[in-house]
Amino acid sequence: EIVLTQSPGTLSLSPGERATLSCRASQTVTSSYLAWYQQKPGQAPRLLIYAASSRATGIPDRFSGSGSGTDFTLTISRLEPEDFAVYYCHQYSSSPLTFGGGTKVEIK
Amino acid sequence: EVQLLESGGGLVQPGGSLRLSCAASGFTFSSYAMTWVRQAPGKGLEWVSALNGGSGVIAYYADSVKGRFTISRDNSRNTLFLQMNSLRADDTAVYYCAKAPSYYAISNQIDYWGQGTLVTVSS
Repeated sequence: EIVLTQSPGTLSLSPGERATLSCRASQTVTSSYLAWYQQKPGQAPRLLIYAASSRATGIPDRFSGSGSGTDFTLTISRLEPEDFAVYYCHQYSSSPLTFGGGTKVEIK
Repeated sequence: EVQLLESGGGLVQPGGSLRLSCAASGFTFSSYAMTWVRQAPGKGLEWVSALNGGSGVIAYYADSVKGRFTISRDNSRNTLFLQMNSLRADDTAVYYCAKAPSYYAISNQIDYWGQGTLVTVSS
């Protein structure tokens, strides 16, 4: 099983600042089959990034993903008020599919 | 517009059974892999099970539910199911139905999610 470790657990930032979220895998995620999701309270998750760096339909370009192998990063270039939420990484390269524990981005 | 509507959640006693349903619309249901993901109260996301498109022969399960849960699909009714047996307190969660953008569950991300249905296992 590929274990995904996200850091930090909580990120306290102000609107307009840059957010950098990390996701580290216990084994290589083949073909960069890694996605990022955003979840707000009381809502279902929403796909942001797939294949490590491809933005999903309708996702603003302030969201970007990078990385390969075992180290992946989600960057939000300038935080907007609606970006404060929990973010999860997800590997879909091998079964069992797994999610990271999440990073909460909160308003400082 | 893709829509996924879960139903069947509720309160069940430990050791009991429950069957979740997910009614899909807005896409050719039989052509896409489908997935169940759960989220315990105040916790993170946990992948539960996935099923390839087509007749639904190829299924995958998390170790935590293997042997107790069964995923299936009825393409004629555009519906995904999750049969949950031998339920335990730690199965308490919101269960989300989700869709992949392709036939195969492995090597494809989740692109759409339902709103979830709450399952509570308690005496």
